[in-house]
Amino acid sequence: GDSVTQMEGPVTLSEEAFLTINCTYTATGYPSLFWYVQYPGEGLQLLLKATKADDKGSNKGFEATYRKETTSFHLEKGSVQVSDSAVYFCALSGGYQKVTFGTGTKLQVIP
Amino acid sequence: DGGITQSPKYLFRKEGQNVTLSCEQNLNHDAMYWYRQDPGQGLRLIYYSQIVNDFQKGDIAEGYSVSREKKESFPLTVTSAQKNPTAFYLCASSIDGKGDARGYTFGSGTRLTVV
Repeated sequence: GDSVTQMEGPVTLSEEAFLTINCTYTATGYPSLFWYVQYPGEGLQLLLKATKADDKGSNKGFEATYRKETTSFHLEKGSVQVSDSAVYFCALSGGYQKVTFGTGTKLQVIP
Repeated sequence: DGGITQSPKYLFRKEGQNVTLSCEQNLNHDAMYWYRQDPGQGLRLIYYSQIVNDFQKGDIAEGYSVSREKKESFPLTVTSAQKNPTAFYLCASSIDGKGDARGYTFGSGTRLTVV
């Protein structure tokens, strides 16, 4: 079945550092890929998405590129801020009612 | 603004009690979902509904029940049969149930604690 694997956290970075959170997936067909962000005590918010190979999703300075050859969708940001501290979830949508989430990666940004 | 409202934000349940978590959306979405979130385990699907008066079990439906009598409402009941109900519960919706590439909209969650 479908699966999503994210790097273990927490990831701790200083403000203005470069961020990469790795995400790889296993799926049949051509899934859509997503990154969601969850701030403490809140639900998940859609951060960005990509629907086909080589698409780049971007939002709020975050980017991720759909790499079919490596089955990856790594999240990147050039300069993180304290306000980016949250848990980030990679997810894929493989068809009817089948969205699979990764286990989440906690990001802590220190001033 | 449209969105999903979950209530209450915090809920305490005694052993042997049933409790109901509310989820209401005004997005005119057809599909609605309930997830359970435990530390280090990501999100696990409890139940989902594609249309009114129809719903299906997800991966961990035992000890839970739902109803979908109105398009905008999808309440979740945690029954006494659920042995370990302490968790964070998230409701979500999507425009339809066809693996929509536009993603899900989530509520802000209900934290259930057994006392």
